[in-house]
This record gives sequence, structure tokens and C-alpha cells, in this order.
Amino acid sequence: DTEVTQTPKHLVMGMTNKKSLKCEQHMGHRAMYWYKQKAKKPPELMFVYSYEKLSINESVPSRFSPECPNSSLLNLHLHALQPEDSALYLCASSQDGGGPSRLGEQYFGPGTRLTVT
Amino acid sequence: AQSVAQPEDQVNVAEGNPLTVKCTYSVSGNPYLFWYVQYPNRGLQFLLKYITGDNLVKGSYGFEAEFNKSQTSFHLKKPSALVSDSALYFCAVRPTDSWGKLQFGAGTQVVVTP
Repeated sequence: DTEVTQTPKHLVMGMTNKKSLKCEQHMGHRAMYWYKQKAKKPPELMFVYSYEKLSINESVPSRFSPECPNSSLLNLHLHALQPEDSALYLCASSQDGGGPSRLGEQYFGPGTRLTVT
Repeated sequence: AQSVAQPEDQVNVAEGNPLTVKCTYSVSGNPYLFWYVQYPNRGLQFLLKYITGDNLVKGSYGFEAEFNKSQTSFHLKKPSALVSDSALYFCAVRPTDSWGKLQFGAGTQVVVTP
């Protein structure tokens, strides 16, 4: 089973709201990722968790806050977003720890379509 | 610095004809190369990867890719395209010294007409 699930599928939020995106995988993968994708563009890496620890933060604004409660779950907490944050947010996981010289492919979830009004 | 180029924004092909999606890369050291496909309103699906060994890599859904070191290319191919292959295709390179960071190309939209 190579499935990564994400909830919700769609989310509309105002600029003063607080919401969370959730991601889950049961493949025993040790690295999990958050990406942001604008229409017809490649995904942009936001965060990498390796063995439940934050390994990479790609200079993401603090209004995005990741959390990895356990090895199967990844959350992205959203607060005071801007309209330009509207995008498809993708979660991914890989079997390896995601570290240097690790060569595992990443498996992506279907994404959460976020609209900020 | 690593980079990936997909020189075609869109590729149009008739069903049953061969499909090629081009990718060239620039990377220091050995390249680790991947192809992903994205169907409308979906996440990315892994198709295949090249790490080392045989230059011809076979992947999912009948796709294959040929690694050419002298031309720094990793073109994706399918002998006979299907309408259902219409999607957005991304080539990506994984630097060996990086923490999980895939460098994606800009993407190529493939349109297969009946």
C-alpha cells in the first residue's frame, strides 16, 4: 500500500482563521514532507521531518507551523494566512529518513486545496 | 547548483504514437533522477527513478526513461501513448548532499488526442 492520505480535500478560510491540514501514512516511512504547489507549477518544498524531527524549514513564514505527533502523522497549522497562500498543499513521505545520500522516492498525497479569502 | 530543465511546456501526440517528454539536468556529482506525473486535481505519482546501473529504466504504466550522461538528459518515453496519459509530467533531481529536497523541472503538459 503506497497511500498517503490528506484531509480536508478543500479548505476555505479567512485571514483571521486558524485551521490545520492533516496527513497520514501507514507505510512505515521515516521521512515526511510538506509542499506548496501553485497551478501548473512544480511543488515547492516547505518542511521535511526525518524520524519525527524537523530537518528542513525552507524559510517558510511563521504563519505556517508544522507538527509531527508520531511517525504516521503530519500536521500543518495555519494562522493569519494571506490570499497569496492560496494553493494546493501536498504531503509526501519516503521510506528512507530523507537525509543526505538517501535515495528513496517520495509518495505524495492528493493534496488539500486551500483558498484564503 | 542543481537544476532541471524541461524545454517543452506542452507535448501533443496522437493516441498510439510514441510519446517523449524531454528533461536535461545540471548537477555536481552523480545525479539521482526521478519522473513524476500529476493528473488534474491530484497529487504527484512516482513513475520511475535512475540511481545507478542500466541506463534504461522501466517504470509504471509502460513508461521508461533513458539516462544519457554525455548529454545530461533523462527523457521519459512511452512506445504507444494513451488518452489517459494526458497529464502534467515533472522531472526531478535529488542532490546527494540534500535533505530530501527534490529539484523539480517546470513541468510538461502532455495532451494525447484520440
